[in-house]
Amino acid sequence: SQQGEEDPQALSIQEGENATMNCSYKTSINNLQWYRQNSGRGLVHLILIRSNEREKHSGRLRVTLDTSKKSSSLLITASRAADTASYFCATDANQAGTALIFGKGTTLSVSS
Amino acid sequence: GAGVSQTPSNKVTEKGKYVELRCDPISGHTALYWYRQSLGQGPEFLIYFQGTGAADDSGLPNDRFFAVRPEGSVSTLKIQRTERGDSAVYLCASSQSRGLTEAFFGQGTRLTVV
Repeated sequence: SQQGEEDPQALSIQEGENATMNCSYKTSINNLQWYRQNSGRGLVHLILIRSNEREKHSGRLRVTLDTSKKSSSLLITASRAADTASYFCATDANQAGTALIFGKGTTLSVSS
Repeated sequence: GAGVSQTPSNKVTEKGKYVELRCDPISGHTALYWYRQSLGQGPEFLIYFQGTGAADDSGLPNDRFFAVRPEGSVSTLKIQRTERGDSAVYLCASSQSRGLTEAFFGQGTRLTVV
């Protein structure tokens, strides 16, 4: 099963533009994480936001979390061609013994 | 090791055969996850270990799939009587503990069942 759903499924932008991806989830969570994946292999952790946080920044990344709407957004500012990848949100549901569950991802394409 | 290591990186097997996929997590990480990913999809959760025990195996699709982590470090995912539909990239991840920590992923094993 998949907890998160990213939106849009695919996004194409020009270098320098901002990219916004959204994630919705179903159950209450401890935290929400965003990951990046190149070429369909290993995922790389980008940022973690706790359930009691509303916004977090890391370099050109900005993540927001709205627990009342069960949604999160990832904003990449001033995008670069190297940002081309798939981006996934993952949640750690607020129940003992539950695992990190991923959404289906947003495929971002940044053209120069 | 420095990161999560998965072996083999690629595996081609015939339908009906048995395969084992290995994951070496980062030393000291108690949580270990197995996922499988098909083309264009997100990682699909299979099983999660906390230490030696399977804390959550609800993602295993059927009884042909089994995973062990006998000493709380290396884990092996075992697939019996493989089917063509089992073809996917199998990803392993580890983290220091469940919850407020990031997961570190290996590069995956690409399994092809012919």
